Amino acid sequence: AQKITQTQPGMFVQEKEAVTLDCTYDTSDPSYGLFWYKQPSSGEMIFLIYQGSYDQQNATEGRYSLNFQKARKSANLVISASQLGDSAMYFCAMRGASGGSYIPTFGRGTSLIVHP
Amino acid sequence: ETGVTQSPTHLIKTRGQQVTLRCSSQSGHNTVSWYQQALGQGPQFIFQYYREEENGRGNFPPRFSGLQFPNYSSELNVNALELDDSALYLCASSLDFGAGELFFGEGSRLTVL
Repeated sequence: AQKITQTQPGMFVQEKEAVTLDCTYDTSDPSYGLFWYKQPSSGEMIFLIYQGSYDQQNATEGRYSLNFQKARKSANLVISASQLGDSAMYFCAMRGASGGSYIPTFGRGTSLIVHP
Repeated sequence: ETGVTQSPTHLIKTRGQQVTLRCSSQSGHNTVSWYQQALGQGPQFIFQYYREEENGRGNFPPRFSGLQFPNYSSELNVNALELDDSALYLCASSLDFGAGELFFGEGSRLTVL
């Protein structure tokens, strides 16, 4: 079975500072994808960044980067230069093979609040 | 904009009733998955359809059922509604059932009284 663990229920950061949101995962399958999504209070899930299990380089998308440490099974999200609009819930997710189909699994989320 | 739309956005039902939620995927996306997100929780995987066949199911009872149609639309049906079914229901489409990105709709918020 696959599992995503986000141990930080809430995080606070000062505007323009960087923040790291933690994510660890567990799977026995060698082929999987890791994702981060942002969910504002309106409810929609906004895709931020993707890392494939065979990717050699850490993924980056603008101010977002994913610190992928495969041996430690961690996929932390780093947001640089935080903005007030970054305040939202952040979910780490994985799509790993389970019986031949890639089942998506989400963590419980981290609430990020950016202070001015 | 993800190109994934869901309807209705909000609805209220009473216990024991049945509900159908709809999702229109991005054109060309062969896979659709549905999730239940209770307040303060992460999305829980309900099931996934690939080319109109169920291709994976989470820990949900049979009263949660689905359909996927050739025109990239899909439905989630829930029978015999219970109070605990109150949640945000999200659908997501993807190119295939592999490890790639999921594109989410804005969700349908169901309240069961």
